Amino acid sequence: DAMVIQNPRYQVTQFGKPVTLSCSQTLNHNVMYWYQQKSSQAPKLLFHYYDKDFNNEADTPDNFQSRRPNTSFCFLDIRSPGLGDAAMYLCATSRDLISAGGLTDTQYFGPGTRLTVL
Amino acid sequence: QKEVEQDPGPLSVPEGAIVSLNCTYSNSAFQYFMWYRQYSRKGPELLMYTYSSGNKEDGRFTAQVDKSSKYISLFIRDSQPSDSATYLCAMIKGGGNKLTFGTGTQLKVEL
Repeated sequence: DAMVIQNPRYQVTQFGKPVTLSCSQTLNHNVMYWYQQKSSQAPKLLFHYYDKDFNNEADTPDNFQSRRPNTSFCFLDIRSPGLGDAAMYLCATSRDLISAGGLTDTQYFGPGTRLTVL
Repeated sequence: QKEVEQDPGPLSVPEGAIVSLNCTYSNSAFQYFMWYRQYSRKGPELLMYTYSSGNKEDGRFTAQVDKSSKYISLFIRDSQPSDSATYLCAMIKGGGNKLTFGTGTQLKVEL
């Protein structure tokens, strides 16, 4: 039944050691998003893919990269994690950016991956 | 100043109470308004989605939008312990797709 799946649910890495987080979806949605949520803070959009078209937020650090090899999968790569990158990373999907009715399309979130940096 | 302001709580109420959760926003470009529920260590789950000013009801939940005051509310009737979670308001500007979230209000419904 899970529609947006994130693996692993918990990830521990060392300072500076590259890490990859995975997201997959069974909804066949065109858009996939990555958010960062630090403790007691609002989720913050890092970037999104519309199909294969990558869209980076202006304030997303260069340390964060993403890949979307096919419709179903999207990866978040953190090249050199720092202590400040410890957070919950949320993947979300939406069918489209704007629905056929012209309204913005709703986003469905996965359970998140909690990243700890030692 | 943040674009979306939300009281972080925590808010503690007895079972059966009516709960009122609120957000204010500063940018009139926001046109779409959502409420998400987030249980501890889980991803946000969409509860309500509204576009226009006024009320929208779904079961025990009512979402209210007042664009003239830049104020949105979520009411929960007959609150249950299972409603204990963090409630995030979120909004999107017209023509856009980027969700801007509030920081969330932590709600605890006690027996």
